[in-house]
Amino acid sequence: EAGVAQSPRYKIIEKRQSVAFWCNPISGHATLYWYQQILGQGPKLLIQFQNNGVVDDSQLPKDRFSAERLKGVDSTLKIQPAKLEDSAVYLCASSPRTGAEAFFGQGTRLTVV
Amino acid sequence: QKEVEQDPGPLSVPEGAIVSLNCTYSNSAFQYFMWYRQYSRKGPELLMYTYSSGNKEDGRFTAQVDKSSKYISLFIRDSQPSDSATYLCAMRDSSYKLIFGSGTRLLVRP
Repeated sequence: EAGVAQSPRYKIIEKRQSVAFWCNPISGHATLYWYQQILGQGPKLLIQFQNNGVVDDSQLPKDRFSAERLKGVDSTLKIQPAKLEDSAVYLCASSPRTGAEAFFGQGTRLTVV
Repeated sequence: QKEVEQDPGPLSVPEGAIVSLNCTYSNSAFQYFMWYRQYSRKGPELLMYTYSSGNKEDGRFTAQVDKSSKYISLFIRDSQPSDSATYLCAMRDSSYKLIFGSGTRLLVRP
């Protein structure tokens, strides 16, 4: 069974630029999560989708971050404009249903300079 | 005060040692407790999943939950160099939002 795929693996951008990350969850998984993991910290949930609907986006900085999950499968997370403090690893995870075990992708490491 | 506290380490032990990793939490509503292992430049992978208080064993790993003390532990027996990683505790209430600790780096020396 293929795991959660994320791209790109690494991205370096200048502050105020925009960036987008892509996630392809495990086939058939209805729930998809985006987490932000700052160096030395645990992952923090940014947004949770159930199929193509948003379940929780309470910790998503909506003035600069946006996310969508078209057709309930792939998802993209966008940052516009980026700030230095957005430097982190962005992890995508999926699970067959809310509350079940979440499987994580390898993450996208973002550096904002 | 953070909802979940975890000593960042690093914790360095010789091969074969028993490792004890711990987390404390403040939210008494947490009911589900997990331990994840994260290798460098990889995503977290679930090791143990427990509900409520008590012990759960899986091979060399034992997870322990003490809800009265708001304290959870992960024990690793006969530790191996391949166990070297960051261990993250995570927990949630009925809302399904996972709250992670900051992780403990473990180094098992050959």
